[in-house]
Amino acid sequence: SQQGEEDPQALSIQEGENATMNCSYKTSINNLQWYRQNSGRGLVHLILIRSNEREKHSGRLRVTLDTSKKSSSLLITASRAADTASYFCATVSGGSYIPTFGRGTSLIVHP
Amino acid sequence: DTAVSQTPKYLVTQMGNDKSIKCEQNLGHDTMYWYKQDSKKFLKIMFSYNNKELIINETVPNRFSPKSPDKAHLNLHINSLELGDSAVYFCASSQEHRDYEQYFGPGTRLTVT
Repeated sequence: SQQGEEDPQALSIQEGENATMNCSYKTSINNLQWYRQNSGRGLVHLILIRSNEREKHSGRLRVTLDTSKKSSSLLITASRAADTASYFCATVSGGSYIPTFGRGTSLIVHP
Repeated sequence: DTAVSQTPKYLVTQMGNDKSIKCEQNLGHDTMYWYKQDSKKFLKIMFSYNNKELIINETVPNRFSPKSPDKAHLNLHINSLELGDSAVYFCASSQEHRDYEQYFGPGTRLTVT
């Protein structure tokens, strides 16, 4: 069954602005992962955050996790046109190591 | 070097045909996967396979079958193709542990006419 749900479905911003995407899930998780998919390409892993972590950074990316609200957010600061892509959250739960993906947020960054 | 590769990139075929998609990973991972991404970009796990077990998503028709000749390859065979099988199929690999990310291939766009 589908676990993560991203919000918004689509986001359009200007270069230099920050982009925030949210992911909500239904059951308790071991970790939550964010992936990027450029048009016509495979998914690329961005960040993994474990259930006992609250925040992680990687370059211009910041991920937060609130297990009490069963939600996560991905912040891309100072966005660039090259950040244009779909962003997916994926959750790993229970004894499984297989992530369950949401439907993604489509981000367009206008130059 | 490409980490996870798939062939072909595009596959156009008629209903009723049987086709295969090949996948190879050179990352030394012990687990490989097949995903189906529909036109709305929803990514659904089809199979997970390592040398110990094959985990099948029960919603996948038995016309789909994974074949692994060795640890670095996981091919997808599809029999009696249907229109609804049109989608992008992704191969992925990872270490068998919940804290490891997945590495995806570039995808194979299958169109059934």
